[in-house]
Amino acid sequence: EVELLQSGGGVVQPGGSLRLSCAASGFSFSGYDTSWVRQAPGKGLEWVAALSASGTGTTYADSVKDRFTVSRDNSKNTLYLQMDSLRADDTAVYYCAKAKPYWYFDLWGRGTLVTVSS
Amino acid sequence: EIVLTQSPATLSLSPGERATLSCRASQSVGRYLAWYQQKPGQAPRLLIYDASNRATGIPARFSGSGSGADFTLTISSLEPEDFAVYYCQHRSSWPLTFGGGTKVEV
Repeated sequence: EVELLQSGGGVVQPGGSLRLSCAASGFSFSGYDTSWVRQAPGKGLEWVAALSASGTGTTYADSVKDRFTVSRDNSKNTLYLQMDSLRADDTAVYYCAKAKPYWYFDLWGRGTLVTVSS
Repeated sequence: EIVLTQSPATLSLSPGERATLSCRASQSVGRYLAWYQQKPGQAPRLLIYDASNRATGIPARFSGSGSGADFTLTISSLEPEDFAVYYCQHRSSWPLTFGGGTKVEV
């Protein structure tokens, strides 16, 4: 089955760190660009970060630049999002997504909730 | 940053009716626009890409049109499963952005 299986969400204090994982199966993960998209409670979608298929090209939203790092391990078919210096406004459901060429998202994980609260 | 404005915010319709959703960009995005459907508690689903191409498995009642800065998603005859929130997204330049969404409700 073609899917993205997410893990790693939870509750973290402001200023803390968290790493999200997204394991791909059923397709050739190394051949596709990927992204992270988030959705604050009751709000719309916000693109967060993008990573090329090779792992060498990254782009970030201004809201997370210098705090979040996206990476991938193609040998493990897994995408990561390292989130540091977390703030309350980072509270959201985080989705990983596979990019259909080019930068449209045709496969999404189920999402994982990150809550930043003291 | 390109801002995508969707209208209306809410569309109240009945099954069988036609739905017309609008997405306006703050500057031209060419035809680099997609539409997604999201139901409560679920991830978004890609419906339309490059303004008018249906994604794999999307029923023909969904169609997209437009170019430049004005785009439309049309659902020709609403099925019960079509009541959801719809988002547009451009890929014209970084950062990628989404519209604020249109909720199609009964």
